[in-house]
Amino acid sequence: DQQVKQNSPSLSVQEGRISILNCDYTNSMFDYFLWYKKYPAEGPTFLISISSIKDKNEDGRFTVFLNKSAKHLSLHIVPSQPGDSAVYFCAASARWYGGSQGNLIFGKGTKLSVKP
Amino acid sequence: DGGITQSPKYLFRKEGQNVTLSCEQNLNHDAMYWYRQDPGQGLRLIYYSQIVNDFQKGDIAEGYSVSREKKESFPLTVTSAQKNPTAFYLCASMGSWTSENIQYFGAGTRLSVL
Repeated sequence: DQQVKQNSPSLSVQEGRISILNCDYTNSMFDYFLWYKKYPAEGPTFLISISSIKDKNEDGRFTVFLNKSAKHLSLHIVPSQPGDSAVYFCAASARWYGGSQGNLIFGKGTKLSVKP
Repeated sequence: DGGITQSPKYLFRKEGQNVTLSCEQNLNHDAMYWYRQDPGQGLRLIYYSQIVNDFQKGDIAEGYSVSREKKESFPLTVTSAQKNPTAFYLCASMGSWTSENIQYFGAGTRLSVL
């Protein structure tokens, strides 16, 4: 059973508009969430993260929102640029529970296409 | 430059052959990880090591083996027991999970079966 779900395999957005990528999780023990960006045939690169004690974190054009009650997080990219076209993975960890601190559970990814 | 180096970038395996994928990091990170990515899938954890001379199985460890004799190195062997080895393999490392629970990834190795 998937603990981290990205229900949209793909998303197409016009350049300059907002991109919103969504992620849902089922494990209430998750306390840290990350977004990674991945180009084909390359390793994922870390984009932005959020701790469960916050509901929002911003870094330039990227903002992550966390709704703990809904077990939902989203990544907003404003404004979207063609170079943002990539696969975006949501990941979660339960740092303080169990013996696997730091282990990340990944969603299947959403492919974002930003059209000029 | 600090980072994670995976080699080779492409690797071909013959039937019944074991192959070893290299992963080296100079970030002074304690923890290292191996993932497998298949088309349309997320990253699935094969093995991880939180400290030298110790490692744990991940979700899909069957047919794989690892060693962690040095802090900088975490090689992955794909054995002949792994019946479907064709995939993109990613190595990652992480410093302290208590403060910055961020894994940093190498560029990956694509393994194909001849």
